[in-house]
Amino acid sequence: DTGVSQDPRHKITKRGQNVTFRCDPISEHNRLYWYRQTLGQGPEFLTYFQNEAQLEKSRLLSDRFSAERPKGSFSTLEIQRTEQGDSAMYLCASSRQGSNEQFFGPGTRLTVL
Amino acid sequence: GENVEQHPSTLSVQEGDSAVIKCTYSDSASNYFPWYKQELGKRPQLIIDIRSNVGEKKDQRIAVTLNKTAKHFSLHITETQPEDSAVYFCAASTGNTDKLIFGTGTRLQVFP
Repeated sequence: DTGVSQDPRHKITKRGQNVTFRCDPISEHNRLYWYRQTLGQGPEFLTYFQNEAQLEKSRLLSDRFSAERPKGSFSTLEIQRTEQGDSAMYLCASSRQGSNEQFFGPGTRLTVL
Repeated sequence: GENVEQHPSTLSVQEGDSAVIKCTYSDSASNYFPWYKQELGKRPQLIIDIRSNVGEKKDQRIAVTLNKTAKHFSLHITETQPEDSAVYFCAASTGNTDKLIFGTGTRLQVFP
């Protein structure tokens, strides 16, 4: 499968715990995006990487959220001290330089109890 | 700020009829407008897109139109089939990063 992959697909955690998600983009794509989607809504932009550089973060992104893409390939999204309001589907998308087309992964569904 | 409005929120049609979903964007600098189809529990899938230098684009039963002056764009599905049933999202890209601003989605139901 050469599409975008995400791991884990589901995560259930207790409030206050830290969680980390991984995204593997399509191999030749150097642009990587994280979005969050809650029930009945469209995906909401969180952050963007071009290669290993994080070039934009949403103003809505709490300080508890951090993302990395250390070698310009896979990316991780960490949420510290999770809250019930963090429960959502976290989607990763990638695109190649010069193309607008973004291809989405299957998402990680986070449930915070 | 950047915003995309999408209507209607739900749409029910009989198989074989046409369906139209409309979106309005706020950022006049937006230059790329994709449409995604999302089935329950699945990832959003790109079905068609249009760039700001084009007014209309067709791909078999699907077409998208863009009116830059009015900042409107629409998705048209002809000869609908039950497998077209899903949630459809419009989006507009903005900024140097081409991040996507999504509409709130339209749940399309096609009845046999």
